[in-house]
Amino acid sequence: EVQLVESGGGLVKPGGSLRLSCAASGFTFSTYSMNWVRQAPGKGLEWVSSVSSSSSYIYYADSVKGRFTISRDNAKNSLYLQMNSLRAEDTAVYYCARVSIVGATGPGALDMWGQGTMVTVSS
Amino acid sequence: DIQMTQSPSSLSASVGDRVTITCQASQDISNYLNWYQQRPGKAPKLLIYDASNLETGVPSRFSGSGSGTDFTFTISSLQPEDIATYYCQQYDNLPPTFGQGTKVEIE
Repeated sequence: EVQLVESGGGLVKPGGSLRLSCAASGFTFSTYSMNWVRQAPGKGLEWVSSVSSSSSYIYYADSVKGRFTISRDNAKNSLYLQMNSLRAEDTAVYYCARVSIVGATGPGALDMWGQGTMVTVSS
Repeated sequence: DIQMTQSPSSLSASVGDRVTITCQASQDISNYLNWYQQRPGKAPKLLIYDASNLETGVPSRFSGSGSGTDFTFTISSLQPEDIATYYCQQYDNLPPTFGQGTKVEIE
C-alpha cells in the first residue's frame, strides 16, 4: 500500500526537543522530494520544510530556521524532522507530504500526505 | 513571502449548486497554483495542480482556472461528500504559501 505514516509527536515543555519520523511505503521514496507541513489547532496550513530526493536541496520556513532540521534516510524510506528550542507557537499537527514530480528539487504539488502527528508545546 | 488571499472564507450552498472559490496572489505566480481539499479531521488531499490540471482519481466536477495573480476553483455540482475546507497553495517562490482556506458547508 502506498502510504506515509508519521510518528514521534507528543507533549513537550517550551525549550524542549522532539524528533518526528515519517515512514514511507509503496513507492520509490528515494526519487521524491519530501516536505513537512503543519496545522495549528483550528488554523490553516503552514509549510515548514522540504528536502530533495538526495538531500542536496533543503529549505525552511523562517519561523523554524535555526531550530528545526529536516533529514531523510533513503535506505530506510524515512523522513525526519528534528525540532529543538520548541515554542508554544509550534503546537500543531505535523504532516509529511510528497512532492508529486519525480526529481523535483523544491516544493511543488503535494500529492501524498500522512495522517499527521500532534505536537503540543506546553508547560 | 507571497500572500495568497482566498474568498470567501466560508460559504453555504445546496446539494447540486455550483460553488466558486477565488484565490488571489500578491504577485505573479504564473500557473504554479494548487488546490487541496481537507475534510474534517483528515489530511489534505490534492485536487488540482498547476492551476487547471485535475489530479488522477478526482471527480470531474472539480475544476480550476487562472494564471498570473487570479485563480478560480469550481465545484460544478456540490455533493454532500464535498463538505470540507479548501486551500490554494502557490509554489512559484519559496516559501510555498497557502491561502487561509474556504470552509464549504451544505445548506
